[in-house]
Amino acid sequence: DSGVTQTPKHLITATGQRVTLRCSPRSGDLSVYWYQQSLDQGLQFLIQYYNGEERAKGNILERFSAQQFPDLHSELNLSSLELGDSALYFCASSVTTGELRSTDTQYFGPGTRLTVL
Amino acid sequence: DAKTTQPTSMDCAEGRAANLPCNHSTISGNEYVYWYRQIHSQGPQYIIHGLKNNETNEMASLIITEDRKSSTLILPHATLRDTAVYYCIAVNAGGTSYGKLTFGQGTILTVHP
Repeated sequence: DSGVTQTPKHLITATGQRVTLRCSPRSGDLSVYWYQQSLDQGLQFLIQYYNGEERAKGNILERFSAQQFPDLHSELNLSSLELGDSALYFCASSVTTGELRSTDTQYFGPGTRLTVL
Repeated sequence: DAKTTQPTSMDCAEGRAANLPCNHSTISGNEYVYWYRQIHSQGPQYIIHGLKNNETNEMASLIITEDRKSSTLILPHATLRDTAVYYCIAVNAGGTSYGKLTFGQGTILTVHP
């Protein structure tokens, strides 16, 4: 158990709909990361939030957005869903010391499996 | 971030050591080598990381060559539960790509009874 929680575990919805995925980071972690894993693209970084602010952006579609709340939990909103959005969505968290020469180990949650029909 | 190259698949007998190689010939001085594994669609699990020196923890050992162009993850006594996809990732300690993990295809390790 990494200490990162994600809800829901499974989500089935229809094309054109909007869904929200939720992530609670490990206690004390300030950074939250979102990743998408589809069969044809592998694991891809979407976006990072640090202490409520967007910090890094990856291959995130304009239809997708995220935010991190004052209690540090994060939500990933996916709208105008398409069949190709069906994937596993993982959240990870890390301490993020803020020091330029240090690294942070990211710990992943169990994921949300999204199926778009 | 430096590109890493791993074999597509490997086999190992239960109880034996599993040695998983990774090539990262273009790694820069401020990039760490991280290893994660993913067991059947579960969330990736952190295993170990290092910069220059060899590292060991309760899960595995990481051997990094002196020129840092390659590394080997060693699972000393593989069990059936170690069957997973293993990812070797070069992680930038700073700069604009800070915080982003770039996963490749990884190595599918199958541990046989």
